[in-house]
Amino acid sequence: DIQMTQSPSSVSASVGDRVTITCRASQGISSWLAWYQQKPGKAPKLLIYVASSLQSGVPSRFSGSGSGTDFTLTISSLQPEDFATYYCQQANSFPLTFGGGTKVEIK
Amino acid sequence: QVQLVESGGGVVQPGRSLRLSCAASGFTFSSFGLHWVRQAPGKGLEWVAIISYDGSNKYYADSVKGRFTISRDNSKNTLYLQMNSLRPEDTAVYYCAKGPVAAAGTGWFDPWGQGTLVTVSS
Repeated sequence: DIQMTQSPSSVSASVGDRVTITCRASQGISSWLAWYQQKPGKAPKLLIYVASSLQSGVPSRFSGSGSGTDFTLTISSLQPEDFATYYCQQANSFPLTFGGGTKVEIK
Repeated sequence: QVQLVESGGGVVQPGRSLRLSCAASGFTFSSFGLHWVRQAPGKGLEWVAIISYDGSNKYYADSVKGRFTISRDNSKNTLYLQMNSLRPEDTAVYYCAKGPVAAAGTGWFDPWGQGTLVTVSS
């Protein structure tokens, strides 16, 4: 199975800050990576697919990059509605696996 | 708009069975693969199973293989998850989610339903 490791597990930031979350795969997955945002009590929401493609309706302050084993989700200017938990997911092979999550908290 | 609505969750004793349903609308149901993903209380996300557009191909996580069965009824636009021999570690919110392609292929999940809570406890 492909293990997905996210870092940090939590980050405290202020509105307007630039936030970067990393995700590392235990083996190469090309660009087969997705990012999700989850707010408390809600279902996850797709933000980015194929490592860097922005899902329709997602604000442009979200961006993704990387290929192979190392990936990054960047929020260029954190907004109040962005405080949530973020997950990466590899879409390269079964079983599909997720990172452990990164909680973005208010500083 | 695309909508997925799960039902069927509840409290069940270890070793018993439960069937979850996911009613879909807003897209051509019979043209897409569909997934179940779960989330234990306070924990991360775990993929459970996928079924192809026509039900001919299915894949499962090792943790549920042999106990859970994914199926679909394209005439009713409904996805199912039959869960047998339930264990306390199966306690989670279960989400259905649409895949990006027809096949039971790898991919991402979009959108997700609101989830249904399954609690396995005596």
